Amino acid sequence: GQNIDQPTEMTATEGAIVQINCTYQTSGFNGLFWYQQHAGEAPTFLSYNVLDGLEEKGRFSSFLSRSKGYSYLLLKELQMKDSASYLCAVRDYRSNYQLIWGAGTKLIIKP
Amino acid sequence: GAGVSQTPSNKVTEKGKYVELRCDPISGHTALYWYRQSLGQGPEFLIYFQGTGAADDSGLPNDRFFAVRPEGSVSTLKIQRTERGDSAVYLCASSLGRATYNEQFFGPGTRLTVL
Repeated sequence: GQNIDQPTEMTATEGAIVQINCTYQTSGFNGLFWYQQHAGEAPTFLSYNVLDGLEEKGRFSSFLSRSKGYSYLLLKELQMKDSASYLCAVRDYRSNYQLIWGAGTKLIIKP
Repeated sequence: GAGVSQTPSNKVTEKGKYVELRCDPISGHTALYWYRQSLGQGPEFLIYFQGTGAADDSGLPNDRFFAVRPEGSVSTLKIQRTERGDSAVYLCASSLGRATYNEQFFGPGTRLTVL
């Protein structure tokens, strides 16, 4: 079957670094996406990983290990506006290449 | 338009009624997706269009749900005989195509409440 696990909620301090983990179990892995979703708004794309390793994009980086079924999103120099839910989604070729979504991690930034 | 638009933004209806939700994707995007999202959950896939055809409707929960995209642009999600369990935010997304690296751009969603 398919399963994606993320922590439900995390708290971090403004200016600090936070790592949000995502573990997945799929039989047809074909890429992993991270999306940011502010309360009451649509998800917006952050990153895409299909090969092992780290992808860096400004303050945000995403890491993938396919052998471990593991990814993380690293957010540096946290700002209050980073308070949002972070969704991990895996594309599965055995499910017609559709995205299988995690429930999201609610990140709370404190001053 | 600049992004994906959805109308209405909010819809309140009574159990048993019929509703239509509209999605206007980004111009030139051939792939269109419908999802629904409940509070505290990730999006749940409903249906995927490539052009005018429904390439994958495996996520539609039952035959009360139907979606069309007659001209390969605007899509309408139709729900018959609504039930209280249908209450959720219905999200539409579009992408350039089906290539695996293509990110999906989401609309603001329609919040459906069935009383």
